Amino acid sequence: EVQLLESGGNLVQPGGSLRLSCTASGFTFSSYALSWVRQAPGKGLEWLSLISGSGGTTFYAASVKGRFTISRDNSKNTVYLEMNSLRAEDTAVYYCAKDEYGDYRFDDWGQGTLVTVSS
Amino acid sequence: DIVMTQSPASLAVSLGERATINCKSSQSVLFTYNNKNFLAWYQQKPGQPPKLLISWASTRESGVPDRFSGSGSGTDFTLTISSLQAEDVAVYYCQHYYSSPPTFGQGTKVEIK
Repeated sequence: EVQLLESGGNLVQPGGSLRLSCTASGFTFSSYALSWVRQAPGKGLEWLSLISGSGGTTFYAASVKGRFTISRDNSKNTVYLEMNSLRAEDTAVYYCAKDEYGDYRFDDWGQGTLVTVSS
Repeated sequence: DIVMTQSPASLAVSLGERATINCKSSQSVLFTYNNKNFLAWYQQKPGQPPKLLISWASTRESGVPDRFSGSGSGTDFTLTISSLQAEDVAVYYCQHYYSSPPTFGQGTKVEIK
């Protein structure tokens, strides 16, 4: 059974930084791309970033490019999202999602971790 | 970026009745080389992450009940729940995966009348 477990969400002040983690199990981690997708309270879904299975290729949404960095450690079955220069509008539940086919279709999701940016 | 627009924003349907959700993309998501529409539908129940229901506009994922069906091509798509069940109460999102960035519709909330 595929499991994705996000952690690291917290209350952070505007301009601050946070690192999210997503630890996976139940599949060959290094074979699959993973993405981060967020959902602001009561709002819809926004894709943020993707990293290939090897970690050699990354993509970002314009809204976070230059502020967020995705990375992975295949020895730890973990993907990370380093978030800097956080703004109030970054407040959301952040989901880790597995991309079965490497084409931005998200077949498995974690339960999410809440990031709140507020003073 | 491709903009995905869903309608209606919400709908209330009686148990056993049909629910229809529309999704329109700002440009075609049909790849002519393989004649496939790069369009997915997700279901998100309260307090849960999204679940992939349908890929390629009309292909149900494994385990998805056959009361869920997708149709459409190019820029106009529809998700139909043929006979609404209580467990189908959720928000439904369309998403294109034609190019980066993938984008989602704003969601359609389905409730019981």
